[in-house]
Amino acid sequence: SQKIEQNSEALNIQEGKTATLTCNYTNYSPAYLQWYRQDPGRGPVFLLLIRENEKEKRKERLKVTFDTTLKQSLFHITASQPADSATYLCALTYQTGANNLFFGTGTRLTVIP
Amino acid sequence: EAGVAQSPRYKIIEKRQSVAFWCNPISGHATLYWYQQILGQGPKLLIQFQNNGVVDDSQLPKDRFSAERLKGVDSTLKIQPAKLEDSAVYLCASSLAGTGANVLTFGAGSRLTVL
Repeated sequence: SQKIEQNSEALNIQEGKTATLTCNYTNYSPAYLQWYRQDPGRGPVFLLLIRENEKEKRKERLKVTFDTTLKQSLFHITASQPADSATYLCALTYQTGANNLFFGTGTRLTVIP
Repeated sequence: EAGVAQSPRYKIIEKRQSVAFWCNPISGHATLYWYQQILGQGPKLLIQFQNNGVVDDSQLPKDRFSAERLKGVDSTLKIQPAKLEDSAVYLCASSLAGTGANVLTFGAGSRLTVL
């Protein structure tokens, strides 16, 4: 069965540094890959979406890459701030036309002032 | 634009009791989802509706869970009888369409504790 693994349960970085989160999947590649942010006691909030034929997407301080050869997506937050502290979830949609979203377990990011 | 509304936010019940959660999606969103999120895990899809029809309920434990979306708007998720392992946050989400690059808008969730 398909597995979605995010690099670690928790990641601590110093304010101002770049945070890099990893999402690895097994078997077949998804048609779309999304990243969501989840704060304690709240539902996930959409951040970025990247398609299987795209290599990179950017939005302000956020950047997502998608490597179907490595079966991996990287999520970068540049110039990180304490307000970026949250759990980040990657989510995959496997078939064009379908829209079931399968989530990874998430990585809890803490940005230390 | 109003977000996805869910109630109750918290519920504590004893095992074998029943519970119901309600969700009101964003106006105009045809697709509605219920996800279960156990502590420390990512959300797991339980059921997906397109308007008032079920698209996918393959991971819904149908012996105890049921869901409906009458009139294609609000939805309720029911658990009867509840088990200890049902303790989780139940997230409702909605999206404009049911296909393609679908971005989901989530509610705040309903946290269930089964004692």
